[in-house]
Amino acid sequence: NAGVTQTPKFQVLKTGQSMTLQCAQDMNHEYMSWYRQDPGMGLRLIHYSVGAGITDQGEVPNGYNVSRSTTEDFPLRLLSAAPSQTSVYFCASSYGPLNTEAFFGQGTRLTVV
Amino acid sequence: AQSVAQPEDQVNVAEGNPLTVKCTYSVSGNPYLFWYVQYPNRGLQFLLKYITGDNLVKGSYGFEAEFNKSQTSFHLKKPSALVSDSALYFCAVRDVGPGYSSASKIIFGSGTRLSIRP
Repeated sequence: NAGVTQTPKFQVLKTGQSMTLQCAQDMNHEYMSWYRQDPGMGLRLIHYSVGAGITDQGEVPNGYNVSRSTTEDFPLRLLSAAPSQTSVYFCASSYGPLNTEAFFGQGTRLTVV
Repeated sequence: AQSVAQPEDQVNVAEGNPLTVKCTYSVSGNPYLFWYVQYPNRGLQFLLKYITGDNLVKGSYGFEAEFNKSQTSFHLKKPSALVSDSALYFCAVRDVGPGYSSASKIIFGSGTRLSIRP
């Protein structure tokens, strides 16, 4: 049982480049989210989804796009990378709202130079 | 809006001593509270949660947390610390704001680094 799988684990981008961070889960969870983790700031929500075809913005959505064409996959796209997007990105999924815990991927460490 | 606060950036404890990692929350309505742990270069792992019922919640690795409604706190505790407990700990709350999709959001505290010395 793989759980939540994120790829790649590490990535270096040049300013202005675009890329997609992949996230897949095999637990048939409806709820999926993307967070970024920066020192001293905890995890901040970028985008989230409550099911296939439904996405919404979180706390820090600017510069990122998402789509949810299937229950399993929730890719995060960086449109034009900026140094401020240097961070560790985590994808999470959960079975339902409120009383269920989230399962996290191992993270993607992104550096924008 | 829902929020959580972890007032301590770092907590240092000797092995074998009890530990407490503090968390306070602000929610409208009933709180749905969680603790997660993050080991170096890893994703977050679920430790325990409070939904309703008993104020003392038991979780993984011998951890427990006490829900205190009057003090709006959800402190993480362990009777006897291990060096292997050294990690980053996050308190979190589910967003119970209006709207179908809001409940999927988890709001995290800034994290507390727990260091256990031998």
